[in-house]
Amino acid sequence: KAGVTQTPRYLIKTRGQQVTLSCSPISGHRSVSWYQQTPGQGLQFLFEYFSETQRNKGNFPGRFSGRQFSNSRSEMNVSTLELGDSALYLCASSLDLDTQYFGPGTRLTVL
Amino acid sequence: GIQVEQSPPDLILQEGANSTLRCNFSDSVNNLQWFHQNPWGQLINLFYIPSGTKQNGRLSATTVATERYSLLYISSSQTTDSGVYFCAVAAPTDKLIFGTGTRLQVFP
Repeated sequence: KAGVTQTPRYLIKTRGQQVTLSCSPISGHRSVSWYQQTPGQGLQFLFEYFSETQRNKGNFPGRFSGRQFSNSRSEMNVSTLELGDSALYLCASSLDLDTQYFGPGTRLTVL
Repeated sequence: GIQVEQSPPDLILQEGANSTLRCNFSDSVNNLQWFHQNPWGQLINLFYIPSGTKQNGRLSATTVATERYSLLYISSSQTTDSGVYFCAVAAPTDKLIFGTGTRLQVFP
């Protein structure tokens, strides 16, 4: 089975722009979770989608949003980018919040 | 919310040595996983172990749910074991909460 894929792998944006990241889960997995990893805050949960519904949400501002499509692929969007949004964004898939399998991540740099 | 503490924060070993990493958590969980993050940032699932003991090659893990801790054992360390080891826990149908990690460096 193919693993979790994330695109793009690297991204450079400027403050005020918006960005969309994509995640394709392992075939058959219906749960997709997103995490932000920074040196200062560590790994923080953003949100989790299951069967196109947001089931859990972390403590992030409304600039961070996501969605899941009927084929379980997920996107997350960050609007009005700030310097502090520079991070590694990781996506994980699972059957139902059990063993989570992570993608390689998207490294976002905001200038 | 659930608090997760990992110790030690840093560990330096010579190849061939054994080590034990600890994860303490503050509340009942039904999901506990150990991950290894390699130098390129990839998080690799090592164990899904909300309770009991599991072994996979040179790695093994034990979770004592009633006492709210889990241990990851690495035997005969290799340089490829270097990286950051994370413990993550979750309550039923809740988000996964990560500890701050243990950074392991294995020297030849």
